[in-house]
Amino acid sequence: AQKVTQAQTEISVVEKEDVTLDCVYETRDTTYYLFWYKQPPSGELVFLIRRNSFDEQNEISGRYSWNFQKSTSSFNFTITASQVVDSAVYFCALGPSGGSYIPTFGRGTSLIVHP
Amino acid sequence: DGGITQSPKYLFRKEGQNVTLSCEQNLNHDAMYWYRQDPGQGLRLIYYSQIVNDFQKGDIAEGYSVSREKKESFPLTVTSAQKNPTAFYLCASSMIRDSGYNEQFFGPGTRLTVL
Repeated sequence: AQKVTQAQTEISVVEKEDVTLDCVYETRDTTYYLFWYKQPPSGELVFLIRRNSFDEQNEISGRYSWNFQKSTSSFNFTITASQVVDSAVYFCALGPSGGSYIPTFGRGTSLIVHP
Repeated sequence: DGGITQSPKYLFRKEGQNVTLSCEQNLNHDAMYWYRQDPGQGLRLIYYSQIVNDFQKGDIAEGYSVSREKKESFPLTVTSAQKNPTAFYLCASSMIRDSGYNEQFFGPGTRLTVL
């Protein structure tokens, strides 16, 4: 069975601090996909990134960066110089290839950025 | 602009009533999904559909029903059999391809309250 663990339930930081959100996954598939979504207070989940299991390069997009390590089954998300607008719940998800198209979501990490 | 619309944004229901939540997408996506989210909780899958006129139960389908008569539409009916329907409901869609696995796109959600 697939599993995604986001052990941090809530993180509180002050603006301009760097913050890392952890995501650990379990899967028996050799090909799989990992995702991060952001859910701001408005409620709609916004897709942030997709990474497949064959691409272990880290990715940076502005203040956001992602560290994918197959050796530790982790796909961590770092926000540099956090801002109040980053306050949201962040979900990590795991998608199998072929067969079922149902992703497995983690329980989410609530990030609160104080001014 | 392409996207997913859900209506209504807020819905109030008396106990014993059935209500239908609308979900429409113009992304030409094959698959559509309904999730339920309770306060402070992650996403739980209610139903999903990969093609027109076909759908499958998710983890918490009891007390809910769906239809998929058109590719663009996937309405969810919350029946009186659902004992605790007060929650935030999210509709999502995704493309299905033979290779790879694609991210889901989410609607803005419907907040259902039982009075």
